[in-house]
Amino acid sequence: NAGVTQTPKFQVLKTGQSMTLQCAQDMNHNSMYWYRQDPGMGLRLIYYSASEGTTDKGEVPNGYNVSRLNKREFSLRLESAAPSQTSVYFCASSETRQAKSTNEKLFFGSGTQLSVL
Amino acid sequence: QQPVQSPQAVILREGEDAVINCSSSKALYSVHWYRQKHGEAPVFLMILLKGGEQKGHEKISASFNEKKQQSSLYLTASQLSYSGTYFCGTQTDSWGKLQFGAGTQVVVTP
Repeated sequence: NAGVTQTPKFQVLKTGQSMTLQCAQDMNHNSMYWYRQDPGMGLRLIYYSASEGTTDKGEVPNGYNVSRLNKREFSLRLESAAPSQTSVYFCASSETRQAKSTNEKLFFGSGTQLSVL
Repeated sequence: QQPVQSPQAVILREGEDAVINCSSSKALYSVHWYRQKHGEAPVFLMILLKGGEQKGHEKISASFNEKKQQSSLYLTASQLSYSGTYFCGTQTDSWGKLQFGAGTQVVVTP
């Protein structure tokens, strides 16, 4: 079982460049999430998708866009990268069947380490 | 509002016990606990719902005190494999997004 797969694992960008982080899950989960992890800050939610065709902002959405391409895939795009976006990015998914969460556990991908110079 | 975890770090010898606390300024609906080993993804440990229930995972257990708006994670008879950073995630309602604490780094030495 692959679980949640993220690509790439590492990326270095110059300020102003754009890129897309890819995420796919093979667990038939309805909900998918993008988090960023910074030292001393824990995990902060960027965007999430409760179901195919819907996306919503999390705590720190500025500078990012997302696409829920289908039930399996949820991508995160940086249109014009800034040094403040240097971070480790995690994609996660959960089973959550209803609009109201029933406290489903999150399954995380292995992360993307992004550096913006 | 991000929950507050304490301590920030703890060093243990194999077999020792430790307690990690997670406190919120808001009433909590649920608390999640995850463990992350260096360079890896966070891994789910357990969820506690309001009602004060206690759960366990191997020799790791947790409690949820609704009145105090806090949860505690208990590492009992620690093993080397318990090393890692422990995060609590809190929900304030049934569809509230998880807010994660800054993490507690646990190092278990032989």
